[in-house]
Amino acid sequence: DAGVTQSPTHLIKTRGQQVTLRCSPISGHKSVSWYQQVLGQGPQFIFQYYEKEERGRGNFPDRFSARQFPNYSSELNVNALLLGDSALYLCASSLVSGQGNTEAFFGQGTRLTVV
Amino acid sequence: AQSVAQPEDQVNVAEGNPLTVKCTYSVSGNPYLFWYVQYPNRGLQFLLKYITGDNLVKGSYGFEAEFNKSQTSFHLKKPSALVSDSALYFCAVRDMGAGGFKTIFGAGTRLFVKA
Repeated sequence: DAGVTQSPTHLIKTRGQQVTLRCSPISGHKSVSWYQQVLGQGPQFIFQYYEKEERGRGNFPDRFSARQFPNYSSELNVNALLLGDSALYLCASSLVSGQGNTEAFFGQGTRLTVV
Repeated sequence: AQSVAQPEDQVNVAEGNPLTVKCTYSVSGNPYLFWYVQYPNRGLQFLLKYITGDNLVKGSYGFEAEFNKSQTSFHLKKPSALVSDSALYFCAVRDMGAGGFKTIFGAGTRLFVKA
């Protein structure tokens, strides 16, 4: 079975631009979460989606948005990019959302560089 | 506020020796605790989790972790380290807050195993 797949793997954008990152979860997984990992730090939680609904939101500005599609894939959008948005963006999928006790399976990440 | 602390930026051990990577947490309710490992330019891989039950949890690749409620700790251990264990290790806690379920990661501990 394929794991969590993210695209693109690398991306370079200019300040002020918008970016869309994509994630396909493991088959059968209905929950997708997004994380930002700045170099030298642990992942920071951005969003969790389950059954196309937002179930959790971290402390990120409104420039960050996401959605989940009927096939459970997800997109993360970031508007008005800042240099500080440069990071590895990780997507994770899990079987369920409600209990909070299921482990997440991570993709390889999208390396975003804002210049 | 919910938090996870990994007090050591780096742990150095010799191959064949036991290793411990420390983690302490602060959460309002019963914690769901996780350990993940990250290899260079890769996403995170799940190692083990504590939800309830036995305080000693066994996971992948010979790793185990001990949950200590009184000390609010969840240290990762392995009886005999391998060079291939060298990687970045993250402790995480899952908590339900106002924004739904949120996974909070520690800053990470880099493990170096010398041959």
